[in-house]
Formats: sequence, C-alpha cells, structure tokens
Amino acid sequence: LAKTTQPISMDSYEGQEVNITCSHNNIATNDYITWYQQFPSQGPRFIIQGYKTKVTNEVASLFIPADRKSSTLSLPRVSLSDTAVYYCLVGDYNQGGKLIFGQGTELSVKP
Amino acid sequence: GAVVSQHPSWVICKSGTSVKIECRSLDFQATTMFWYRQFPKQSLMLMATSNEGSKATYEQGVEKDKFLINHASLTLSTLTVTSAHPEDSSFYICSATMGKRNQPQHFGDGTRLSIL
Repeated sequence: LAKTTQPISMDSYEGQEVNITCSHNNIATNDYITWYQQFPSQGPRFIIQGYKTKVTNEVASLFIPADRKSSTLSLPRVSLSDTAVYYCLVGDYNQGGKLIFGQGTELSVKP
Repeated sequence: GAVVSQHPSWVICKSGTSVKIECRSLDFQATTMFWYRQFPKQSLMLMATSNEGSKATYEQGVEKDKFLINHASLTLSTLTVTSAHPEDSSFYICSATMGKRNQPQHFGDGTRLSIL
C-alpha cells in the first residue's frame, strides 16, 4: 500500500484559497487518489477522487501531475466551517482495496 | 447517495460487558466493509476488512477474539467488542464500498464507546 505524506497543519483565513499537497511516491498503477474531510467526533466525509490530471466538483479541485507521485487538494474561498482534518489516501478500489490513513492535515480557518 | 449508517452513535457500559455496533449501507450493496478505531487527536487505524459471507481479515495486532466481526448481508456488518475494558474505550468507525474501481469508501458517523 502506498504511503502518503501531508503537512501536519495549515492555517488560513476566510475567503482564501487553500492548497494541501500530498506526496505518494510509491503509488501503484491501479491506485486512485481520494481526499476525505473529518470533523471532530464524526466519520470522514468523501471530498474528491481522481486518477490523473485534474478533477473538479462543487466543493474542491484535485490536481495530479503526470507522474502521480503527488496530488494537491484545492479548496476555493474557505470559510470557518472548513476547519477540519483532511486526509489524502491512495488505494485500489478494485475488489474493495483497503486504505491506510496517514496523519492528515489539520486545517484551521480564521476569521 | 452512498449513505452509511452506524448505530449506536454512543454507548457507555460497565467493564466486562459486550457491546455490538452495527454498520449499514442504506442505498447501496457493500461487498466490503471496514472497521476503524480512532483515539483522540489521532488518525484512523484500520482494524479489519469484512467481506459479505466470509470471515473478516484482521490487521496485525488486532485481537479477533476481542473484536468479533460479522458481515451477514450486503448491507450490514456488525462489530462486537467482547468483555470490554476501559482500554477499549475509543471512537469506532465503519466504512463501506461497492468494491468496484472508482468507487470510494463511504464512512459512517462513528460510535463513541466508553467503558467504565
């Protein structure tokens, strides 16, 4: 299973764009990259998933370079409610591949 | 779509009792479910992988006789903490996946277990 490395914490202010980068040097050919958000005392919530290039949905964008050894989650115009821990995971969902959580990035959004 | 329900959301019980936690996929069939444990200010730790109709696969260091997992149907998995002790107090989270490529895991909201 590919190991991921993220910054432990980040600070931002309301209205700013936040980019969180994750390194996954040992990513395998079949692995997808998935980002989750977790609030205290809640289960992780799916944010976005991608395999290569760029993926965008209503809440975030995911940028994946050609070598796929890293990925960047981009949150446009964050608000106080975006304060949470963000996890980057790499895994193969074919036949229910398991995921190993790293330490995640604790994002603090200030007014 | 892709809703996972976990019950109960919190439970307090005496040391020595057994506690059962249910995990249900409400709007999809989950070929695989996972059970995690999370301590305060720490990341999720995978405990076991559960496939419908077969025995669970436990991660190294997780006692299978302590944490009994049953995946009786494509929408239900249960985790039973047997003879619970204070050190078993934790936040337990399940997730479910359809087991296909491009289908991520979807998580329940967790169960806060406190053993007195």
